[in-house]
Amino acid sequence: NAGVTQTPKFQVLKTGQSMTLQCAQDMNHEYMSWYRQDPGMGLRLIHYSVGAGITDQGEVPNGYNVSRSTTEDFPLRLLSAAPSQTSVYFCASSYTGSGTPGANVLTFGAGSRLTVL
Amino acid sequence: GQQLNQSPQSMFIQEGEDVSMNCTSSSIFNTWLWYKQDPGEGPVLLIALYKAGELTSNGRLTAQFGITRKDSFLNISASIPSDVGIYFCAGQKGSNYKLTFGKGTLLTVNP
Repeated sequence: NAGVTQTPKFQVLKTGQSMTLQCAQDMNHEYMSWYRQDPGMGLRLIHYSVGAGITDQGEVPNGYNVSRSTTEDFPLRLLSAAPSQTSVYFCASSYTGSGTPGANVLTFGAGSRLTVL
Repeated sequence: GQQLNQSPQSMFIQEGEDVSMNCTSSSIFNTWLWYKQDPGEGPVLLIALYKAGELTSNGRLTAQFGITRKDSFLNISASIPSDVGIYFCAGQKGSNYKLTFGKGTLLTVNP
């Protein structure tokens, strides 16, 4: 199994450009999420989804859009990139449950490093 | 915003030393997780804790779910150079699937 696959691994954008970060998982996980990692800030949740057709905002959603048309894919769109969006982005997935060992344990992709000039 | 206080922010130790780090919160969590992130990679799960008071080991790593359910601890014994990385705690509460992450502890091990 590939786990969580993110593309691209590196991307440089100019301010105002748009792009989509791709995320795919082959573990049939219901839950998928996007985090950004900035120095000294840890991992901050951008958007998440608990199943196909369902998405919700996390801690830092502004400037990002998501959709979940299939269980496997959860792309993150930047409509008009800004320098403040320079970061490392991680997609992560898990199966859901409450109190069940293994539930909600996120599996992370390798990350996408984005630089906005 | 962040609801988990992770400490210390960074540690510089000699190979062979033991390491302790912890996470605290004002909220009660149902699950505590500890992740390690190697440079250029995504975080990888080390230990998952599901019950208050639970003590779980994974090789040289031991983690505990605090009795109050508001804290968790991770210990690494006899550190080696490959222990270098960022260690994150994460908590999940209620029926909410979202995980809240600490800001991480950067561990450097001098050979």
